[in-house]
Amino acid sequence: AQSVTQPDIHITVSEGASLELRCNYSYGATPYLFWYVQSPGQGLQLLLKYFSGDTLVQGIKGFEAEFKRSQSSFNLRKPSVHWSDAAEYFCAVVVYGQNFVFGPGTRLSVLP
Amino acid sequence: SQTIHQWPATLVQPVGSPLSLECTVEGTSNPNLYWYRQAAGRGLQLLFYSVGIGQISSEVPQNLSASRPQDRQFILSSKKLLLSDSGFYLCAWSVGGLGGYTFGSGTRLTVV
Repeated sequence: AQSVTQPDIHITVSEGASLELRCNYSYGATPYLFWYVQSPGQGLQLLLKYFSGDTLVQGIKGFEAEFKRSQSSFNLRKPSVHWSDAAEYFCAVVVYGQNFVFGPGTRLSVLP
Repeated sequence: SQTIHQWPATLVQPVGSPLSLECTVEGTSNPNLYWYRQAAGRGLQLLFYSVGIGQISSEVPQNLSASRPQDRQFILSSKKLLLSDSGFYLCAWSVGGLGGYTFGSGTRLTVV
């Protein structure tokens, strides 16, 4: 069955530290991949997306993600986390003709 | 530019009362429209989606219904709310679906 997993429910990092949020998918076809961020009480905002081409994609707010087909992964990274990055992060996958499938989310806490 | 409006932002309703949440999209034609729900501590659950006026697909059997009376209007309703209907409801739109979803700011519904 098609699925998206985010193995980490909650991650805590110190401000200025690097960050990597994991996302794995299970799809028969090549999917399109997305990362969204949700601040408390807000809607979701698109951070970045991957369709094809260069497997390292740059997004807003200094985030990047790398698509690794061999690992079925699309991990989100940021070299230096800011306190304002504290939020919930969702990985999402879609294939042609189907609706988005969202991962369960990873909540990021940032220590001062 | 495209925008999505969702209201109200918060709502407290007694058990057994009706519900109507509205979502409108501006700046695009014939969008795909979606209603999602986030229960506390859970990910995103797709409730309904619509690819055109009067066309509604339900993903999860439940106490809710959706309607699309106009191209850019999507309404989530219930005749009698249950306690389990509490959650954060998000409307989203896309054109084609593969380019990503744009989310509204959400409605926090508390059923008491």
